[in-house]
Amino acid sequence: DVKVTQSSRYLVKRTGEKVFLECVQDMDHENMFWYRQDPGLGLRLIYFSYDVKMKEKGDIPEGYSVSREKKERFSLILESASTNQTSMYLCASSLKRTRYEQYFGPGTRLTVT
Amino acid sequence: QQQVKQSPQSLIVQKGGISIINCAYENTAFDYFPWYQQFPGKGPALLIAIRPDVSEKKEGRFTISFNKSAKQFSLHIMDSQPGDSATYFCAASAGANNLFFGTGTRLTVIP
Repeated sequence: DVKVTQSSRYLVKRTGEKVFLECVQDMDHENMFWYRQDPGLGLRLIYFSYDVKMKEKGDIPEGYSVSREKKERFSLILESASTNQTSMYLCASSLKRTRYEQYFGPGTRLTVT
Repeated sequence: QQQVKQSPQSLIVQKGGISIINCAYENTAFDYFPWYQQFPGKGPALLIAIRPDVSEKKEGRFTISFNKSAKQFSLHIMDSQPGDSATYFCAASAGANNLFFGTGTRLTVIP
């Protein structure tokens, strides 16, 4: 069974703080993704990575950066958190050849005050 | 611009009834159409998927109907149960590329 874990279920940060969200998968998947989920907007792709140290921007990368130093770990970084980044953040992974079959973590609900 | 349009936003169905969620797309390059199911406090999980070379795919009580000419596809949940209460997302992808998700439908099945 694929397992994708996220470091925190709930996180409260102040405006301007640097925020790190961590994701780990245990199935040796090449691809990893970060989404944000907002009511009425569905899931929107922030960044994805198809290999260690490789990354590509998704649909809404502004205000975010990512890091992938090891195959199993993908980090999302908010350099200077803002209130409009209050959201549910979901990490996912997939095999290289089946990018469309994604396995999701439980999510991190981030509140920026 | 939303690549995949999903409706309704919310749906209430009596136990034993049929739940129907609809999605539409414009990009004719899409060739894989999955549905994801998300329970409260959990991440989405792949439920069922279809490719455009078939018009229907059934897995248990869950059926995807696909209309290629209309660029629409739908999820039907037969004999809906309270345990089916969740948020459902349709999605689409082209080739081995990323998924585009719909906006989600919150389904509530009343006992």
